[in-house]
Amino acid sequence: QFQLVQSGAEVREPGSSVKVSCKPSGDSFSGFPVGWVRRAPGQGLEWMGGMIPMFGTTTYAQRFQGRLTLTSDESTSTAYMELGSLTSEDTAVYYCARGGELYDMTGYYSYWGQGSLVTVSS
Amino acid sequence: QSALTQPASVSGSPGQSITISCTGTSSDVGTYALVSWYQQLPGKAPKLVIFDVSKRPSDISDRFAGSKSGNTASLTISGLQAEDEADYYCCSYAGSQTLVFGGGTQLTVL
Repeated sequence: QFQLVQSGAEVREPGSSVKVSCKPSGDSFSGFPVGWVRRAPGQGLEWMGGMIPMFGTTTYAQRFQGRLTLTSDESTSTAYMELGSLTSEDTAVYYCARGGELYDMTGYYSYWGQGSLVTVSS
Repeated sequence: QSALTQPASVSGSPGQSITISCTGTSSDVGTYALVSWYQQLPGKAPKLVIFDVSKRPSDISDRFAGSKSGNTASLTISGLQAEDEADYYCCSYAGSQTLVFGGGTQLTVL
């Protein structure tokens, strides 16, 4: 069964940045896209952006442009989400998810990581 | 990109059917047959239950069905079971390689 394993919980101060990792349990993402979605306390799911690690192509939700960076390390088959200029409103559980179609960032997510809690507090 | 509109909550008794609506615009739901639905149990990661408007992953019960008309997509769960109690989210392609989620609907099985 394909699984995504994310890094652990993080606590950050306002104004700093956080980097969350996401690694498939098996081989690699193999051309499938990786998306990042968050859920803040009492809120719904929010799509942040996605990338295809094989090609390095990225796409971001407008509201995160300029402070969200998605990267990947093909040598370790790991995807990363870095969010900067953190405020208390960024406190949330952050999920990575693998797309269902090869090379296609327009669709759905078949597999999800377990989530990484990021708490922003002074 | 504004969030798609879902009812905050719906409820039904075991065995009944419920429908959750998801209203977007001509820039997302109305133009693309790329609507998916996710089930999220408390403390768990979301799980895909419908993709491409009406297709079901192989491990999802046929009690789950999706449809779309104009700018509104719908998820129908028939033969409601206690285990269906969860939050449900719709998601649509919104052009320019972006996605947008709905606000989520809390399903209560009475």
